[in-house]
Amino acid sequence: DTEVTQTPKHLVMGMTNKKSLKCEQHMGHRAMYWYKQKAKKPPELMFVYSYEKLSINESVPSRFSPECPNSSLLNLHLHALQPEDSALYLCASSQDRQYNQPQHFGDGTRLSIL
Amino acid sequence: QQPVQSPQAVILREGEDAVINCSSSKALYSVHWYRQKHGEAPVFLMILLKGGEQKGHEKISASFNEKKQQSSLYLTASQLSYSGTYFCGAALEYGNKLVFGAGTILRVKS
Repeated sequence: DTEVTQTPKHLVMGMTNKKSLKCEQHMGHRAMYWYKQKAKKPPELMFVYSYEKLSINESVPSRFSPECPNSSLLNLHLHALQPEDSALYLCASSQDRQYNQPQHFGDGTRLSIL
Repeated sequence: QQPVQSPQAVILREGEDAVINCSSSKALYSVHWYRQKHGEAPVFLMILLKGGEQKGHEKISASFNEKKQQSSLYLTASQLSYSGTYFCGAALEYGNKLVFGAGTILRVKS
């Protein structure tokens, strides 16, 4: 069991749909991350939130819109995605952004775009 | 800025040892090691900090060579459960994120 919970586990959507991915942690961590992982590739950073403020956007297309409503919750809103956006989306959290602490990953949402 | 991992893949028999390396062309602040099994989340193994000591975790240990800007992960007396893809994540000294290497696929056979 991971301490970072992601829902849904699987999502299939059409290119015109709007959906959201959800990530929750109750470890009191103040940094939260979204990563995208394609098959047989490493996780690629998309967004970093620190103390509920967006601190890094890795030039992610605007069809991905992150949101951090509170310190425990992180959402990723999806709209008008492309087939190449099909991937495993991982959420992670860490105590803070100092990179001397581990990142704890959720099990991910496997997203398929039709 | 992606760290370079080697080897790309390794096959072991149970009980054999392996070393996975992670190198950076820039000064590192920390190196994180994770193992990911197929269809699962990456699981944290250990962190090596600049100026820190070698770390150990059961039969898995790691070191950080500041002169070479390289970290090595040592797996001794491998078990079937060690199979998976090992990623190193590098945080640069003046960077603001963790960048993962391409991964090393480890397969332990009985």
